Parts: sequence; structure tokens; C-alpha cells
Amino acid sequence: ETAVFQTPNYHVTQVGNEVSFNCKQTLGHDTMYWYKQDSKKLLKIMFSYNNKQLIVNETVPRRFSPQSSDKAHLNLRIKSVEPEDSAVYLCASSPRTEQYFGPGTRLTVL
Amino acid sequence: AQSVTQPDARVTVSEGASLQLRCKYSYFGTPYLFWYVQYPRQGLQLLLKYYPGDPVVQGVNGFEAEFSKSNSSFHLRKASVHWSDWAVYFCAVSMGNSAGNKLTFGIGTRVLVRP
Repeated sequence: ETAVFQTPNYHVTQVGNEVSFNCKQTLGHDTMYWYKQDSKKLLKIMFSYNNKQLIVNETVPRRFSPQSSDKAHLNLRIKSVEPEDSAVYLCASSPRTEQYFGPGTRLTVL
Repeated sequence: AQSVTQPDARVTVSEGASLQLRCKYSYFGTPYLFWYVQYPRQGLQLLLKYYPGDPVVQGVNGFEAEFSKSNSSFHLRKASVHWSDWAVYFCAVSMGNSAGNKLTFGIGTRVLVRP
């Protein structure tokens, strides 16, 4: 049963455009995350939010910015995408330690 | 810094045979360890989790894993593989059980199942 929802599933865009990805969880968790999974399946944490507050911000380019309106939502905006931003972006939520992932948004930058 | 090593990028196994996927972790402290599975074009699903306690943990779909502090390992096992186990398996470690603790993942092991 899916409890972490991500939209869109896929997005194709051109270099320099702005994109936004949405994530919503219905698990009642306080903490949410964004991960990037590259073409080799490597997973890297980007951000984590706890109750709408940013608590982890790994070294990511400034064009990436997370946005949280409430603890159930964590969106990701990318201003002026670059070719290396092509990847799958995975959202996750956590009650404490284990994390539950959404299906991902696959971004292709032409 | 914490790290996870999965030495096998790819494992091929016959349906019905047993499976073991290796995971070594590096962490100074008490680790919280996880195995996740990723089916094609899907997100990650939690298979099982280790919190300090019994070293053998049971997961879903017949998977189990064994924690060894002396070997810094957390290997995943399944007695009899099914074709539906064709997927990528990730081992992960967390620094603790506080809110916001990030997971550090291994590179994943791709499991191919022969009929």
C-alpha cells in the first residue's frame, strides 16, 4: 500500500528550465527526505525536514531548494536544470529511524 | 563517517536456490541497519531492519539477515529464491534513532534469477 506519493512520475525538460516535484506522505511521520539516485543506482541524501524545519542539507548545488508547507508535504524545486540533474528523485518519510520511500520522479534533462 | 560496502555488484542465482547478499558497514557506535529492495522502475521497499538486540532479524518474503559486530557485517539471506526476487538490493546504515538521521546506502547488488 503506497503511503508516500510523488508527482510527476516522469519529467523531461531542457537545460535552464525550472522544475518542481511534489511529495506527500499519509503516514503521519514528522520527518521527510529527498534523495537523488543516479544512473548507476547510487543513492545520496539531499535534504531532510523535521516538522517543516530543515535539519539536513547535504552539499547540493544552490539551484536545488526544498519547500515544506506542513509536515506531510515536502517539495523540491530545481532552478535552471543542468544535464547532470538527470536522475531519479526519491522522497521518503520516517517515524524515527527506518524510512519509507515513494516511487520516485525520473527527471531527464535534454 | 559511516559507510556501507556491498562487494557484489551482481549476483545470479537459479530459482529455488539459496541466496546470500553481503554487506559490510563502517560506523563507530551502535549501528541501525537496513535492507531495502528496489524492483524495476519503483521506489525502495523496506525488507527488514536491525535495531540493537537479537542479531538475526526476519523480514518480508522469507528474507532474514544476521548482524555480526565482530565482522561488521549484516548479510541478507533467503533459503529459496523466487523469480519475483529479481531486483536490486540495498544495504543501509543509520547513525542513530533520532529524527532526521540520514541513511547511508551501499551501491546495491543486482540479483538476477535464472529459471
